[in-house]
Amino acid sequence: DQQVKQNSPSLSVQEGRISILNCDYTNSMFDYFLWYKKYPAEGPTFLISISSIKDKNEDGRFTVFLNKSAKHLSLHIVPSQPGDSAVYFCAASRTGYALNFGKGTSLLVTP
Amino acid sequence: ETGVTQSPTHLIKTRGQQVTLRCSSQSGHNTVSWYQQALGQGPQFIFQYYREEENGRGNFPPRFSGLQFPNYSSELNVNALELDDSALYLCASSARDRLEAFFGQGTRLTVV
Repeated sequence: DQQVKQNSPSLSVQEGRISILNCDYTNSMFDYFLWYKKYPAEGPTFLISISSIKDKNEDGRFTVFLNKSAKHLSLHIVPSQPGDSAVYFCAASRTGYALNFGKGTSLLVTP
Repeated sequence: ETGVTQSPTHLIKTRGQQVTLRCSSQSGHNTVSWYQQALGQGPQFIFQYYREEENGRGNFPPRFSGLQFPNYSSELNVNALELDDSALYLCASSARDRLEAFFGQGTRLTVV
């Protein structure tokens, strides 16, 4: 069963605007959440993470928000740039255990 | 500091054959994990190695096996290949006390 879900397979955003990628999870034992970006023919690249003791983590243009009661997290990219076009994977983990990935959201940032 | 490297990048095998995929961990990382990514799916956890011992396994049959060597490099072996084994195989390394895993570029395996 899919414990991490990304319900939007694709998203298109204009350059300079905000991109919001969403992720839901079902396992309340997850305590660490990560976002990865993947370009074609490359492996996933770590982007940003957040632990369950926080509700927000920011790194430059990227901010991740965690709503534990809703079992929901989101990645905000502001401002979006064409180079951000990639597939974004949400992953969740319980400390000491493996990463559980969603199916990914393909982001296209248009000029 | 070198990143995670995998070899080969592409491979074509016949159903029933065996395959070995290789991974060199990022410098300073002592934990390695393997993932299978089928087309249109997210990576699925196969197993993890720490200090040369298997330290967790996903829902994969025993014909998927692995090794970790003293230099923390790793191998993934798959016996009796099936058509559904066609996928991108990703190796990820991490430090034991960190949850961020860093991935290699993957090996694209095609079983015909």
